[in-house]
Amino acid sequence: GESVGLHLPTLSVQEGDNSIINCAYSNSASDYFIWYKQESGKGPQFIIDIRSNMDKRQGQRVTVLLNKTVKHLSLQIAATQPGDSAVYFCALREYGNKLVFGAGTILRVKS
Amino acid sequence: NAGVTQTPKFQVLKTGQSMTLQCAQDMNHNSMYWYRQDPGMGLRLIYYSASEGTTDKGEVPNGYNVSRLNKREFSLRLESAAPSQTSVYFCASKSPRQAVYNEQFFGPGTRLTVL
Repeated sequence: GESVGLHLPTLSVQEGDNSIINCAYSNSASDYFIWYKQESGKGPQFIIDIRSNMDKRQGQRVTVLLNKTVKHLSLQIAATQPGDSAVYFCALREYGNKLVFGAGTILRVKS
Repeated sequence: NAGVTQTPKFQVLKTGQSMTLQCAQDMNHNSMYWYRQDPGMGLRLIYYSASEGTTDKGEVPNGYNVSRLNKREFSLRLESAAPSQTSVYFCASKSPRQAVYNEQFFGPGTRLTVL
């Protein structure tokens, strides 16, 4: 099966700073990537997605960058807020519309 | 809309006991999924149902069975619970008609402990 990993298990940032969460993947055939946010005691919540024919996609305060050459995905959060504290998962689509999830990165925002 | 709902929220079982986790969605989605989440790990797919009447194994199906009762409901059954099945279980659903292709909506989870 596919494996998806994260470089940093825990990231601590000061409120107002930008956050960057990274994800490495191994399946070069994956054509769709998603970032999810999971708050304590809740299910994962969709943040942003990107297709493999794109390098960058922007949302509200979030940007996803995809580097297919090195099989790397990142999530950038601008002006990080306390409400951004959560676990962030990257996921990629496998055959049959199934998603493979990474282990997650904990983002802690210091006030 | 309630979205994806799961019952129960918490459950404690003894080894060998059986139970069924319930999941329902009111978004008229075709596809439904069951995942488990263990500490320090991402979600792993147990079973999924691409449409009403069909079910398929995911990454970790052993020890589980599923039933797609109708379009709304997708249940997960543990016939003989084992401590290794202690986990948080998430149900999710997805419609191919969604603007964001492949976005899955998740329920709040069921926290299961097997003693």
